[in-house]
Amino acid sequence: GEDVEQSLFLSVREGDSSVINCTYTDSSSTYLYWYKQEPGAGLQLLTYIFSNMDMKQDQRLTVLLNKKDKHLSLRIADTQTGDSAIYFCAVVVGYQKVTFGTGTKLQVIP
Amino acid sequence: NAGVTQTPKFQVLKTGQSMTLQCAQDMNHNSMYWYRQDPGMGLRLIYYSASEGTTDKGEVPNGYNVSRLNKREFSLRLESAAPSQTSVYFCASSESGTDGYTFGSGTRLTVV
Repeated sequence: GEDVEQSLFLSVREGDSSVINCTYTDSSSTYLYWYKQEPGAGLQLLTYIFSNMDMKQDQRLTVLLNKKDKHLSLRIADTQTGDSAIYFCAVVVGYQKVTFGTGTKLQVIP
Repeated sequence: NAGVTQTPKFQVLKTGQSMTLQCAQDMNHNSMYWYRQDPGMGLRLIYYSASEGTTDKGEVPNGYNVSRLNKREFSLRLESAAPSQTSVYFCASSESGTDGYTFGSGTRLTVV
C-alpha cells in the first residue's frame, strides 16, 4: 500500500518561513492535501494540489510537488505563533484510497 | 456552522463495556469515515461508508462495527471495549471520496 512519511518535528522563529516536507511511494497519486490540526481539535483542510501541477500558492502558503522524487512540501511564509500545530499531508491514489502521513509538529518560537 | 458533529467529546469506559460514538454531517456529503489517532501513528482508517447503505472495512476494523443510519449519520460501535482501543476517534466526510475531508472535533476515549 501507499506509504507517506513526514518528519516528526520542526521548530522555527516567528517571522521566518517554515517548510514541512512529505514523501510518498505511489506514483499514481491524483490529489495531495495538507491539513492542520490544532491542540484538541480535528484536522482542518488547508490546501491541496492536483498531481498535474508543480506549484500552488494560496496567500502565505505555497505547495510544491516534485512528482519525479515523490516529494511534497508546504511552505508557510512569515510564520506566526498561531501557525503552531500538527500538519498532515494526505495522498489520494484512487477512489476512497487516502493515506495520511504521521504528521509534523510545528513549533513557532516568539 | 455547517460541518461534522461528534458526540460525546470525552468518554471513559471499563474493559468489556460497550458504547456507540455518534457522527452527523450537514453538508450532504456522500462519503463518511471513522479514524483513530494514536501518538506516533498518525490517522488510521477504521471503517468508511462510500455512500448511504454501504460500509467497508479500513485498515484497523477489528473490535468495531459501524452503521450508516442515513445520509447524514454514521455511528461507530465498540461491543466490548479493550484498553487497546484507548484513542482519539475522528469522524470525517467528503463529497466524492477523492476531495478533501471535513473532520469532526473528535472523541477522546479511555478504556480502563
